[in-house]
Amino acid sequence: QKEVEQNSGPLSVPEGAIASLNCTYSDRGSQSFFWYRQYSGKSPELIMSIYSNGDKEDGRFTAQLNKASQYVSLLIRDSQPSDSATYLCAVNRNNNDMRFGAGTRLTVKP
Amino acid sequence: GAVVSQHPSWVICKSGTSVKIECRSLDFQATTMFWYRQFPKQSLMLMATSNEGSKATYEQGVEKDKFLINHASLTLSTLTVTSAHPEDSSFYICSARLVGGSYGYTFGSGTRLTVV
Repeated sequence: QKEVEQNSGPLSVPEGAIASLNCTYSDRGSQSFFWYRQYSGKSPELIMSIYSNGDKEDGRFTAQLNKASQYVSLLIRDSQPSDSATYLCAVNRNNNDMRFGAGTRLTVKP
Repeated sequence: GAVVSQHPSWVICKSGTSVKIECRSLDFQATTMFWYRQFPKQSLMLMATSNEGSKATYEQGVEKDKFLINHASLTLSTLTVTSAHPEDSSFYICSARLVGGSYGYTFGSGTRLTVV
């Protein structure tokens, strides 16, 4: 089992729709969780971080964490073409290093 | 905000030569830096963790004699790809963890290495 797994893409949604990205992790001791956006040829940029169970909202983005299920998700409301990118789920296991999922490629069609 | 400056942004080198990539934390001290490698359409793979003043910790399967990491100060870490081969062509990215126990990480802009 991979340490961090993301739902396989690519994911395509129409402009204005909600994009839902999912991620599961294997280490129950994981403490912090992140979603990064990566455009082709660029380094990742942090979108959201979440540390406790529940929802965390920031603008059009909502991160959801369920530690019991070892599941974290990202919802993007009112998706825009500029949201088209690869989204990486990352898990910090012990405040020492971060592990990334394989990424989900999102395409928002105008 | 915290900025990590990574240079060069791209480099082309001949097989057998060595290439050095630098990462500098510009406005904060980074006790720990992480080096990742990313092949096309794949995720970031952690290569090694470097701590200031000590030897780097390499992930399984990463050759420490080929990928030399030096973290001589709280603001500079370097990765040297020695005797580069075409299969080393990849996108290399560094990341730094902020001092003080914060969970925050910041990434460099990445280096595109092409070995011909």
